[in-house]
Amino acid sequence: AQSVTQLGSHVSVSEGALVLLRCNYSSSVPPYLFWYVQYPNQGLQLLLKYTTGATLVKGINGFEAEFKKSETSFHLTKPSAHMSDAAEYFCAVSGKGYSTLTFGKGTMLLVSP
Amino acid sequence: DAGITQSPRHKVTETGTPVTLRCHQTENHRYMYWYRQDPGHGLRLIHYSYGVKDTDKGEVSDGYSVSRSKTEDFLLTLESATSSQTSVYFCAANRDMNTEAFFGQGTRLTVV
Repeated sequence: AQSVTQLGSHVSVSEGALVLLRCNYSSSVPPYLFWYVQYPNQGLQLLLKYTTGATLVKGINGFEAEFKKSETSFHLTKPSAHMSDAAEYFCAVSGKGYSTLTFGKGTMLLVSP
Repeated sequence: DAGITQSPRHKVTETGTPVTLRCHQTENHRYMYWYRQDPGHGLRLIHYSYGVKDTDKGEVSDGYSVSRSKTEDFLLTLESATSSQTSVYFCAANRDMNTEAFFGQGTRLTVV
């Protein structure tokens, strides 16, 4: 079985501040982890993914995430928020033997000037 | 949209009527999925397909059926629409198990 918990349905930051969106997962097999972003009235777009190898993963738009097995976490960070980062972010988990993604409930990122 | 097109994009229908949503992909992906997105629930899997005529249920399959007669098309049918099926529906597809899924733009369905 798989599950994803995203801490905080809404996160507010100021432009230029650090962005930290939290994701914890559970999986009975080695996980594959994903972060997706959704802009208003659009579909989901992949930001980054972890499958195997390096635990620090870099994605698009300056985002990165670190897979920490001991903490069962895959938090998303960006050093400096931009107004255009305002969107909803979803963490998802899959794993060997599973053909489907399980999503968290999402975190809305609000960026203020 | 990575070659995934959903139709219609918006639909309003009456309670008790059948509704079919269509997902069309041009990338020859083997796997296709239907999710619904509701506030506070994220995306929940309705049904998925792992090949032509091969489908399986997801987390919230009650009241929905699917069909896949061709690799490129995956249809979602609400046999008798209810107000609880008002939602935004997303189609997704990927080539292999565990790889990145590409999403369509979504269909906003309102059941009145």
